[in-house]
Amino acid sequence: EVQLVESGGGLVKPGGSLRLSCAASGFTFSTYSMNWVRQAPGKGLEWVSSISTNSQYKYYADSVKGRLTISRDNARNSLYLQMNSLRAEDTAVYYCVRDSSYFDYWGQGARVTVSS
Amino acid sequence: DVVMTQSPLSLAVTLGQPASISCMSSQSLVYSDGITYLNWFHQRPGQSPRLLIYKVSNRDSGVPDRFSGSGSGTDFTLKISRVEAEDVGIYYCMQATHSWTFGQGTKVEVK
Repeated sequence: EVQLVESGGGLVKPGGSLRLSCAASGFTFSTYSMNWVRQAPGKGLEWVSSISTNSQYKYYADSVKGRLTISRDNARNSLYLQMNSLRAEDTAVYYCVRDSSYFDYWGQGARVTVSS
Repeated sequence: DVVMTQSPLSLAVTLGQPASISCMSSQSLVYSDGITYLNWFHQRPGQSPRLLIYKVSNRDSGVPDRFSGSGSGTDFTLKISRVEAEDVGIYYCMQATHSWTFGQGTKVEVK
């Protein structure tokens, strides 16, 4: 069974940092591109970032470019999102999503709140 | 950037009746490989989104056949042939041809 389990969310002050992790199981992690998608409270879905299988290619939404960094460790079956210079508008649930050329599996989400 | 526009944004449907959601993109979603990367998701309150339809018209595993997707180029439609109580929630279209972009979402309620 495919499972994606996010962790690392929490409350952080504006300008602060946080690192999200996603533990993958039930599939060969190294053969799939992975993504982060976020959802602000009461709002729709927003794609955040994507990483290719071997980390060669990384893509970011304009809203997070230069502040959020995606990475992965295929040996640990894990996906990460390093979040720096956080702003109030980064408050959201962050989902780890598998990419099979479509987003077929989603984690339960990690809640990030940026507030003083 | 590709803009995805859904309509309506809200829909109230009688159980057993059909429902239809439109999704329009600001540019063609046909990729250089000839495939159209247009997908549909359903999100129930308090849950993660679930993939319903991928590449315009392919139902994901376990998705009931009352759900169908169609369209081409820039115009796409999700249809529910007979709405059931478990179909309430928000439906999103998403394009994966030019980076990744979601529609605003369509909230489906039962009358």
